[in-house]
Amino acid sequence: AQSVTQPDIHITVSEGASLELRCNYSYGATPYLFWYVQSPGQGLQLLLKYFSGDTLVQGIKGFEAEFKRSQSSFNLRKPSVHWSDAAEYFCAVFTGGSQGNLIFGKGTKLSVKP
Amino acid sequence: EADIYQTPRYLVIGTGKKITLECSQTMGHDKMYWYQQDPGMELHLIHYSYGVNSTEKGDLSSESTVSRIRTEHFPLTLESARPSHTSQYLCASSELWGMSYNEQFFGPGTRLTVL
Repeated sequence: AQSVTQPDIHITVSEGASLELRCNYSYGATPYLFWYVQSPGQGLQLLLKYFSGDTLVQGIKGFEAEFKRSQSSFNLRKPSVHWSDAAEYFCAVFTGGSQGNLIFGKGTKLSVKP
Repeated sequence: EADIYQTPRYLVIGTGKKITLECSQTMGHDKMYWYQQDPGMELHLIHYSYGVNSTEKGDLSSESTVSRIRTEHFPLTLESARPSHTSQYLCASSELWGMSYNEQFFGPGTRLTVL
């Protein structure tokens, strides 16, 4: 069965430090992978997505993610975190086809220290 | 501007009341979704629709019902609310075909509290 694991429930980083949020997926075929961000009291905003091709994908707000098939991972990175990046981050895998849907991980809450 | 809207944003009601959470989108999308999200937990799909007159149950069993009479409108109804229904409800939409058919766009959510 398809699944997404985000091993870190909560991460705290200092402003200006680099960030890496981990995501592992379980899916039989080539996955479609997504990272969403959710600010408090808000819906989800798409940060970036991987469908195929270049394994390093660029997103909005300076985020990037790297697809590693051998490790079944799709980790999110940012070289320098800003206080406004504090939010909850969700990794998701699409199950495929017009009848497919997204399966989400449990999310990683990011706190940013001044 | 194309967007997806949810009303109300916050709702506090008593047990046994009937409620309807509204979701509308102006993105021209055929597929729409309802997710339930508890604090610190992943989103669980409770309903989705491929288009007008189509409704499907999601992965998480829910006592709510949905309807899709118009493409842009996908309301969720609870006939008799209970404290166990307290949660955040997120509506989303996506294309059914094309290059971005699996990319979902989310509304701001409705936070429901049942006393």
